[in-house]
Amino acid sequence: QKEVEQNSGPLSVPEGAIASLNCTYSDRGSQSFFWYRQYSGKSPELIMFIYSNGDKEDGRFTAQLNKASQYVSLLIRDSQPSDSATYLCAVNGGTGGFKTIFGAGTRLFVKA
Amino acid sequence: EPEVTQTPSHQVTQMGQEVILRCVPISNHLYFYWYRQILGQKVEFLVSFYNNEISEKSEIFDDQFSVERPDGSNFTLKIRSTKLEDSAMYFCASSPSVGQPQHFGDGTRLSIL
Repeated sequence: QKEVEQNSGPLSVPEGAIASLNCTYSDRGSQSFFWYRQYSGKSPELIMFIYSNGDKEDGRFTAQLNKASQYVSLLIRDSQPSDSATYLCAVNGGTGGFKTIFGAGTRLFVKA
Repeated sequence: EPEVTQTPSHQVTQMGQEVILRCVPISNHLYFYWYRQILGQKVEFLVSFYNNEISEKSEIFDDQFSVERPDGSNFTLKIRSTKLEDSAMYFCASSPSVGQPQHFGDGTRLSIL
């Protein structure tokens, strides 16, 4: 059974701080890695995607991938109260990469 | 910005009835997906669809479920003989190619009574 594991949180950080979210996955054949943000009662919204080992930055967000350790992380700099949401790690795997497995998500609270 | 649209936003159905959930993927996307999210639980993969056939399906996607692309724009999920435990949010998503980011619709909340 392919798994994606995340700390459920909640993770609480003050406004302006860096929030660090982590994810591990079990399928070594995974090729694509995604971070989605989900507000309560809403659909997942793509934040970042990463395919290669290393860091990828987009504005206040940085995704980090380490395939050897099967580890993906998301850093949110200058956290804002509007960043308060559940962050979902998703990994593409399966034969041909047609199956995407989601973690249960980490709830983030940014305190004003 | 193009988006995935889903209808209806909320569907209430009696147990044992059949429901069809509809989705219009982004027009230049070739890969389509259905997910389920039971209240308070994680997003679960149901099925992926490409070139008018199922690419992969999860163990959840049994004979009760089917998908279809009846025309050039719609992508549907049919659930037969609905059960109470089918109550969930159902999300449709699409992507340009396999492994690329998927864009999600707003979902259909399915309530089985």
